[in-house]
Amino acid sequence: ETGVTQSPTHLIKTRGQQVTLRCSSQSGHNTVSWYQQALGQGPQFIFQYYREEENGRGNFPPRFSGLQFPNYSSELNVNALELDDSALYLCASSLGTSGGTDTQYFGPGTRLTVL
Amino acid sequence: AQSVAQPEDQVNVAEGNPLTVKCTYSVSGNPYLFWYVQYPNRGLQFLLKYITGDNLVKGSYGFEAEFNKSQTSFHLKKPSALVSDSALYFCAVRDMRNFNKFYFGSGTKLNVKP
Repeated sequence: ETGVTQSPTHLIKTRGQQVTLRCSSQSGHNTVSWYQQALGQGPQFIFQYYREEENGRGNFPPRFSGLQFPNYSSELNVNALELDDSALYLCASSLGTSGGTDTQYFGPGTRLTVL
Repeated sequence: AQSVAQPEDQVNVAEGNPLTVKCTYSVSGNPYLFWYVQYPNRGLQFLLKYITGDNLVKGSYGFEAEFNKSQTSFHLKKPSALVSDSALYFCAVRDMRNFNKFYFGSGTKLNVKP
């Protein structure tokens, strides 16, 4: 096990609603990244937080937002849910060492279904 | 643009035989390359990474990967496959000019038959 946990495991929402997904990073890991993995595809980078500030973002609209807290927990918020948002959402934590050589450790994911 | 390609959707191999899962990459500058494995209904588990140094990288569960700069490849290998190795394998590259982004391939499903 990686020591990264996510909640809830599964979630069902309807189109237009808002959702909050949660992640608890490994202790000491000050960087967290969020990914969207659609069925049959590889993970797509949503954004990354380092010491509670967003410092990188993929090609996702502003209705995808996040927060990182000092206690190594973080949230992914998605507003105005669309059917295409149905996916497995993964968070990954890392030490955030300089140079980008650190390894990301993934949580088990949250399966979001939008009806 | 940075990218990773996994040309095979599926690889089938008999237990005990060697296995190779292919990955090619496109990056500007030196690449940081990673392999992850995903079991059903689970997150991704780290196998190994190449940052610099020896072209042959050894990782978890007996896996290794060979970095080939001239062919821009980073193939995953194992000398003797196990049925329990059956899973989905992802190659990833980290953008050195933007350390915040990982780019994952589309994944290769490995089937190891007894």
